Amino acid sequence: DAGVTQSPTHLIKTRGQHVTLRCSPISGHKSVSWYQQVLGQGPQFIFQYYEKEERGRGNFPDRFSARQFPNYSSELNVNALLLGDSALYLCASSLGSLSSTDTQYFGPGTRLTVL
Amino acid sequence: AQKVTQAQTEISVVEKEDVTLDCVYETRDTTYYLFWYKQPPSGELVFLIRRNSFDEQNEISGRYSWNFQKSTSSFNFTITASQVVDSAVYFCALSEANRDDKIIFGKGTRLHILP
Repeated sequence: DAGVTQSPTHLIKTRGQHVTLRCSPISGHKSVSWYQQVLGQGPQFIFQYYEKEERGRGNFPDRFSARQFPNYSSELNVNALLLGDSALYLCASSLGSLSSTDTQYFGPGTRLTVL
Repeated sequence: AQKVTQAQTEISVVEKEDVTLDCVYETRDTTYYLFWYKQPPSGELVFLIRRNSFDEQNEISGRYSWNFQKSTSSFNFTITASQVVDSAVYFCALSEANRDDKIIFGKGTRLHILP
């Protein structure tokens, strides 16, 4: 079975540009979460989506947005890129049941470099 | 407030030695989940274990074992007879139930297994 997939693997952008990162969850998983991991730190929660609706949001500016599609894949968008947005962006999928916290399984990440 | 502390930034041991990675957490909730993830150089977070707050039984999986003690808010991870392939960054993490499933990660412990 395929795990969580993310594209692209690497990305180089310049300040002020916009970027879209993509994620496909494990088959059967309905929830997708996004995390930002800067070098030397643990991942920081950005968003969670379940059944195409935002279920949670971390402490990130409005330049960060996301959405989930009917097939449960997801996009993370970042506008007006700053140097500090350079990081590994991780997508995680989970079953998404509302009755308990499900285990999140992570993809390989997209490494974004902002110049 | 939720918080996960991994006081050991970096550990180096010689192959076949046992090593314990420490994790201390803070939460006001009575229902929560604790996790350990492994992040090899490839960057993908690999799920190792999930433990809920009502289950204090220690767990053993091959060379890996986990010691959960609510009295000290600790969830330590021991690798027995370490191998070079165990070299990675290990993250301890916390998720509170009835929230948005976001995972709060510690800063990670970088483990070097020397041949």
